[in-house]
Amino acid sequence: QSALTQPASVSGSPGQSITISCTGTNSDVGTYNLVSWYQQHPGKVPKVLIYEVDKWPSGVSSRFSGSKSGNTASLTISELQAEDEADYYCCSYAGGSTLVFGGGTKLTVL
Amino acid sequence: EVQLVESGGGLVQPGRSLRLSCATSGLSVDDYAMHWVRQAPGKGLEWVSGITWNSGNIGYADSVKGRFTISRDSAKNSLYLQLNNVRPEDTALYYCVYGLDQQLWTGLEYWGQGTLVTVSS
Repeated sequence: QSALTQPASVSGSPGQSITISCTGTNSDVGTYNLVSWYQQHPGKVPKVLIYEVDKWPSGVSSRFSGSKSGNTASLTISELQAEDEADYYCCSYAGGSTLVFGGGTKLTVL
Repeated sequence: EVQLVESGGGLVQPGRSLRLSCATSGLSVDDYAMHWVRQAPGKGLEWVSGITWNSGNIGYADSVKGRFTISRDSAKNSLYLQLNNVRPEDTALYYCVYGLDQQLWTGLEYWGQGTLVTVSS
């Protein structure tokens, strides 16, 4: 169970699109279409944005979208807004009834 | 409204034990998978353990396997985490979380506010 790899930080200007990558292995991301994404603002609890690679939970904006290719999953945020500034985490099923998170990515809206 | 309220955290010496509790309302622990996720101060999220709706599947992170035990109580609609032989690296805010559905792998939806565990002599 090694943590998934995410860039430490990304940035973008309002209105732009950004993509956060999440790289795992053939034991997790590469084998299972069971990647979820979470947004966490400072001092707040995480909020689920995407589950099962590209599905939206009820109430989540379609500006957030997910995809996967091989061992790498991605979260794209379109039409970037100031309120999107937060930490983002990916999470994958890793077999054996276990989950593994990525190290997190800090998004700065310029 | 879904509510999860964790308790049981505090200062504990290395090697000692602690039991975390999570009282829930608005949903039933019989209908969803449930998880414990922790976050060390200033660090990222770490999945600790999960249990399916019927306790048929239980999983643990390698870092806690053999030391922590997850359980649930339908009558009290609650989730628990028994922490044994704690280590300084177990210091973190421990979140109780409802899964999106009955399976462990779907995702994590409703989060409590967390209970802080500090392991130090």
